[in-house]
Amino acid sequence: DAKTTQPNSMESNEEEPVHLPCNHSTISGTDYIHWYRQLPSQGPEYVIHGLTSNVNNRMASLAIAEDRKSSTLILHRATLRDAAVYYCILRPLYNQGGKLIFGQGTELSVKP
Amino acid sequence: GAGVSQSPRYKVAKRGQDVALRCDPISGHVSLFWYQQALGQGPEFLTYFQNEAQLDKSGLPSDRFFAERPEGSVSTLKIQRTQQEDSAVYLCASSAPPGGFYNEQFFGPGTRLTVL
Repeated sequence: DAKTTQPNSMESNEEEPVHLPCNHSTISGTDYIHWYRQLPSQGPEYVIHGLTSNVNNRMASLAIAEDRKSSTLILHRATLRDAAVYYCILRPLYNQGGKLIFGQGTELSVKP
Repeated sequence: GAGVSQSPRYKVAKRGQDVALRCDPISGHVSLFWYQQALGQGPEFLTYFQNEAQLDKSGLPSDRFFAERPEGSVSTLKIQRTQQEDSAVYLCASSAPPGGFYNEQFFGPGTRLTVL
């Protein structure tokens, strides 16, 4: 399985944008890029996913590099509630309904 | 609406005891997953059910770990003769019926197991 690399931690100020990077240099052409986040003392929750094109939803935006070897999760205005561990996960096309393989994730702290 | 629920939320066991952890998935969800999360780590896959069939148990760390989902809804993860290294948060997730291209997983809050 292709691997992802994320910084261990990042800091942000409240109401400022946050860019969370993920490297996946061994991604295959049929791997989708998914992001989940885990708030303190909760289970992970889905954030967004994409294949090649940039994606937007009510929670965040996902910017995918042209060569697909990296991606960035963008929170447009961080709130205190966005403090969480963010996981970048690759899911093969043939396994969209299967297990998730989590890495270490990036722990985001948000300062008031 | 009702999400995935897990019970108990916290469990303390003495080394050598057997424990049973319960997961109630979202009604109608065919797929059910168990993950183990050690302190400071990301969740690790344990096992996967589709309805009552256990299709993948490759992540179960030893034969002391056993999971079942006899009627295709509620699932139980059982750990026999618990060891200190079993201390972790055990997460359950369910996902919608297959047929859709992509199935988001919905996680419960987890059961924190502490083995003394």
